[in-house]
Amino acid sequence: GIQVEQSPPDLILQEGANSTLRCNFSDSVNNLQWFHQNPWGQLINLFYIPSGTKQNGRLSATTVATERYSLLYISSSQTTDSGVYFCAVEREETSGSRLTFGEGTQLTVNP
Amino acid sequence: NAGVTQTPKFRVLKTGQSMTLLCAQDMNHEYMYWYRQDPGMGLRLIHYSVGEGTTAKGEVPDGYNVSRLKKQNFLLGLESAAPSQTSVYFCASSYGKTHEQFFGPGTRLTVL
Repeated sequence: GIQVEQSPPDLILQEGANSTLRCNFSDSVNNLQWFHQNPWGQLINLFYIPSGTKQNGRLSATTVATERYSLLYISSSQTTDSGVYFCAVEREETSGSRLTFGEGTQLTVNP
Repeated sequence: NAGVTQTPKFRVLKTGQSMTLLCAQDMNHEYMYWYRQDPGMGLRLIHYSVGEGTTAKGEVPDGYNVSRLKKQNFLLGLESAAPSQTSVYFCASSYGKTHEQFFGPGTRLTVL
C-alpha cells in the first residue's frame, strides 16, 4: 500500500511563531487531505488539496503532486492550534475511497 | 444541521460480547466510512460504503461487520468483542470519492 510519512513527529512553538509541517507519500495520489485533531479528539478537515495551493486564514497548504509531498503552513500560531495534524492520501488507482493516514504531527503552542 | 453524529460516545464491553455503533449524517452524503484510531497512530479504515445498500472492506476489516440500509446511517457491528478492539472509533462521510471527509466525534470503546 501507499506509505505516508509526516514530519516532524512533534513540534513545540511559542504563540505567534510560524511553522511548516510536511507530508511525503510514496505513490501518485488523487486525493490528499489535511486534518486537525484537537485535544478533545475531534477531527476537523482543514484542506482537500490533491495539488496546488490553498489558503484559509492563518493556514495554507501546498501539494506538489509530481514530487509527492504536501506542506501545511501555520502562521502566527495560537494556543488553539495545538493538537495533532494528520495528512491522508488516496492512490490514483484505487476504485473505492480509501484514505491512508500518516501518523501525524503533534503540535503544542505555548502561551 | 448536526453533521455526523455517533452513538454511543463511550462503551465498556466484556470479551465475547457484541455491540453495534451507529453513525448518522444529515448532509446527504453518498460515501460513509468507519475508522479506528489507536494510541499514537493515525486512523485506519475498517469498512466503507459508496452508497445505500453497498459496503466494502478497508484496511482492517477482520472482526467487524457493517450495514448501510439507509443512506443516512452506517452501522458498525462487533459480533464477539476482543481486547484488541479497544480503540476510538470514528465515522466519517463525504459527498463523493474525491471530496473532503467530515468526521463524527468518535466512540471510545474498551473491551475487558
